[in-house]
Amino acid sequence: ETVLTQSPATLSLSPGERATLSCRASQTVSSSYLGWYQQKHGQAPRLLIYGTSSRAAGVPDRFRGSGSGTDFTLTISRLEPEDFAVYYCQQYGHSPWTFGQGTRVEIK
Amino acid sequence: QVHLVQSGAEVKKPGASVKVSCKISGYTLTEISIHWVRQAPTKGLEWLGGFDPEDDEMIYAQNFQGRLTMTEDTSTETAYMELTGLKFEDTAVYYCAADFPARGGLDPWGQGTLVSVSS
Repeated sequence: ETVLTQSPATLSLSPGERATLSCRASQTVSSSYLGWYQQKHGQAPRLLIYGTSSRAAGVPDRFRGSGSGTDFTLTISRLEPEDFAVYYCQQYGHSPWTFGQGTRVEIK
Repeated sequence: QVHLVQSGAEVKKPGASVKVSCKISGYTLTEISIHWVRQAPTKGLEWLGGFDPEDDEMIYAQNFQGRLTMTEDTSTETAYMELTGLKFEDTAVYYCAADFPARGGLDPWGQGTLVSVSS
């Protein structure tokens, strides 16, 4: 199975700062099959990015996905108060699909 | 716009079975694939399985040793996830989510169903 390792586990930043989240895969993942999700406390996850770099409907352009091969990145250019949440990467190119363990972005 | 509505919370004893439903509106099961994901208390997301339209079959996570079955009823546009032989560690919120083959990724998600396994 494809293991996804996210780093860091927790990111402590202030509103307005830039957040850089990493997702590393144990084997090559096609760029078409890598996504990022945001989950706020008590809510279902929300798809932010699919296909490595395509924003889902309604996602602000401060969210940017990039990467290839085994290394992928989610960048939030300027953190807004509503962006403090947990973020998960997911690969859906190899069965079984897998999620990373998550990165918590918290207010510093 | 697709909308997913799940059945209500369940409390089960160890060894019992649970069947969670996911009612789809706005699209049909021939247009989207439904996947299931669970989240144990304070833990991350765990993909359970879903429909693979390329191979026209359900695909499952490896960890469940035949305890997990996903089905779909196209007459009612409802997907089901059944888990048998429940263990304490199966306590989690279970989500259904939609995969649009032309897009990829899971969105939207149902509201979640809490399944509690307790003696």
